[in-house]
Amino acid sequence: DQQVKQNSPSLSVQEGRISILNCDYTNSMFDYFLWYKKYPAEGPTFLISISSIKDKNEDGRFTVFLNKSAKHLSLHIVPSQPGDSAVYFCAATLLNTGNQFYFGTGTSLTVIP
Amino acid sequence: NAGVTQTPKFRVLKTGQSMTLLCAQDMNHEYMYWYRQDPGMGLRLIHYSVGEGTTAKGEVPDGYNVSRLKKQNFLLGLESAAPSQTSVYFCASRPVWGADQPQHFGDGTRLSIL
Repeated sequence: DQQVKQNSPSLSVQEGRISILNCDYTNSMFDYFLWYKKYPAEGPTFLISISSIKDKNEDGRFTVFLNKSAKHLSLHIVPSQPGDSAVYFCAATLLNTGNQFYFGTGTSLTVIP
Repeated sequence: NAGVTQTPKFRVLKTGQSMTLLCAQDMNHEYMYWYRQDPGMGLRLIHYSVGEGTTAKGEVPDGYNVSRLKKQNFLLGLESAAPSQTSVYFCASRPVWGADQPQHFGDGTRLSIL
């Protein structure tokens, strides 16, 4: 059973506009969440993370929002750039175990110049 | 700085053949992981290791074995390959210090079983 879900397989956005990628999870015990970015023929690379004690974390053009009551997180990219075109995975874990990370199915973002 | 290196990058096997995928990391990380990525399924954990000489099962361990004889290497074995094991395999590592440290991934091994 998929504990982390990304219901949008793909998203297209115009350059300069905002990209919003969504992620839902079912396990309320998860307390740490991450976003990874993946280009074709490469491994995922870490993008940004957020702890469950926060509801927002920002790093440059990237902001992650966490809504614990809804078990939902989102990644905002502003402004979107063509180089942001990639597959984005969200992941979740329990920090006190730290051994297993549960990944979503990914959202393929295309930023149109 | 190589990071996480996976060998080979591509491989085609016949059903029933065996092979070993090698993962090597030069970051002195304690934790290492093997995932498989299939269309519409995301990344699923096969096995992981929390240190030299230790291994544990993940979500989808059946049909695979692993070994961590040296801290820097994590091997994934397929004893009798099946078409259902056609996938892209990713290795990852991360340090034991700081529970919030993200994983570092290799570039993957694309494996086809005919």
